[in-house]
Amino acid sequence: ILNVEQSPQSLHVQEGDSTNFTCSFPSSNFYALHWYRWETAKSPEALFVMTLNGDEKKKGRISATLNTKEGYSYLYIKGSQPEDSATYLCALLTGTASKLTFGTGTRLQVTL
Amino acid sequence: NAGVMQNPRHLVRRRGQEARLRCSPMKGHSHVYWYRQLPEEGLKFMVYLQKENIIDESGMPKERFSAEFPKEGPSILRIQQVVRGDSAAYFCASSPRDREDTQYFGPGTRLTVL
Repeated sequence: ILNVEQSPQSLHVQEGDSTNFTCSFPSSNFYALHWYRWETAKSPEALFVMTLNGDEKKKGRISATLNTKEGYSYLYIKGSQPEDSATYLCALLTGTASKLTFGTGTRLQVTL
Repeated sequence: NAGVMQNPRHLVRRRGQEARLRCSPMKGHSHVYWYRQLPEEGLKFMVYLQKENIIDESGMPKERFSAEFPKEGPSILRIQQVVRGDSAAYFCASSPRDREDTQYFGPGTRLTVL
């Protein structure tokens, strides 16, 4: 069973703070890593798809890096805003199938 | 381009009834995935379909659950003789191709079994 771990489980920051969280996974049998942002009562929203070791992707104030050799990805949010409050999920795509194996997420709360 | 559509958004069934959940993928997407979120758990893969074919159903319970994605019309996840343990949020995602492509998620169907 593939184990995708995310830490911390939850995080509470002030507006303007920068923050980061981690997604860890077995470094073997890796194909792609997906990051999603999931607000309550909405659909998970795709942020990034990362495939190459050393990949770094950016969308506005959010960026992500990938280290496939050591089996981790970081998601960074610069200058957090209340609208960034959501659960951030990472998911691993492995093997010949196209199924995603999700971590349990990091719940971010940004307050004024 | 409309996103992934799912209906109904909420479905209530009594034990023993059938539940039919529908998913219309984004325009141009021929790959559909179903995921389930049980209470207090994360998203878990159920089944992956392309038009008229089931590619991977390794996450689907062996009994009572079936899925299809016909040539015309939405993908259907069917649960026969529902039990209370089937109560969950069922999410559909679609992509234009497989592997590296982003999977775009629908809003989910929340199934409650009384």
